[in-house]
Amino acid sequence: RKEVEQDPGPFNVPEGATVAFNCTYSNSASQSFFWYRQDCRKEPKLLMSVYSSGNEDGRFTAQLNRASQYISLLIRDSKLSDSATYLCVVNALDSSYKLIFGSGTRLLVRP
Amino acid sequence: DTAVSQTPKYLVTQMGNDKSIKCEQNLGHDTMYWYKQDSKKFLKIMFSYNNKELIINETVPNRFSPKSPDKAHLNLHINSLELGDSAVYFCASSQGTAVTEAFFGQGTRLTVV
Repeated sequence: RKEVEQDPGPFNVPEGATVAFNCTYSNSASQSFFWYRQDCRKEPKLLMSVYSSGNEDGRFTAQLNRASQYISLLIRDSKLSDSATYLCVVNALDSSYKLIFGSGTRLLVRP
Repeated sequence: DTAVSQTPKYLVTQMGNDKSIKCEQNLGHDTMYWYKQDSKKFLKIMFSYNNKELIINETVPNRFSPKSPDKAHLNLHINSLELGDSAVYFCASSQGTAVTEAFFGQGTRLTVV
């Protein structure tokens, strides 16, 4: 089983749509959780951290369910510029020096 | 100002050659990494250095040898390149022992022919 699993997509949605991505992780000792964004042929960049209480940043909402080892990202009112690959990322307590990446979910927002 | 810069951006070379990729960060971070992104876009850690000391070596073939002359630099040397080494290699850095955010370089696209 992969340490971090995501639906690869692609998710093809019209502008203005709401889209949700899910992610599960296998290590219950994981302590920190993130969503990164990677544009085509570019480096990954932090989109947002994910907290147990859930957090929101504009059109983006991230939630964490520790009991189910499940992380989600909700994007409201999708823009063309949201088209990218979204990477679910986990930092395990037993290995503080590395981030474990999911394989990413590709989002295509069409006009 | 580029926070994490790696060179070269593209590298095309023949099987059996030896090549190096350089990475420098000007963020003052004390931890640096090498990640490999394969053709399926899966990002996997290879090495991690903290204050020039090797912290993580993720069962990478010993043809790959990282070197950190100081905490702002982490280079990657690859001997006897193989076709399967073709990938994008990303350097990254972060501050402290608990990674809160990693900053990535633009990547080096290595093609072995």
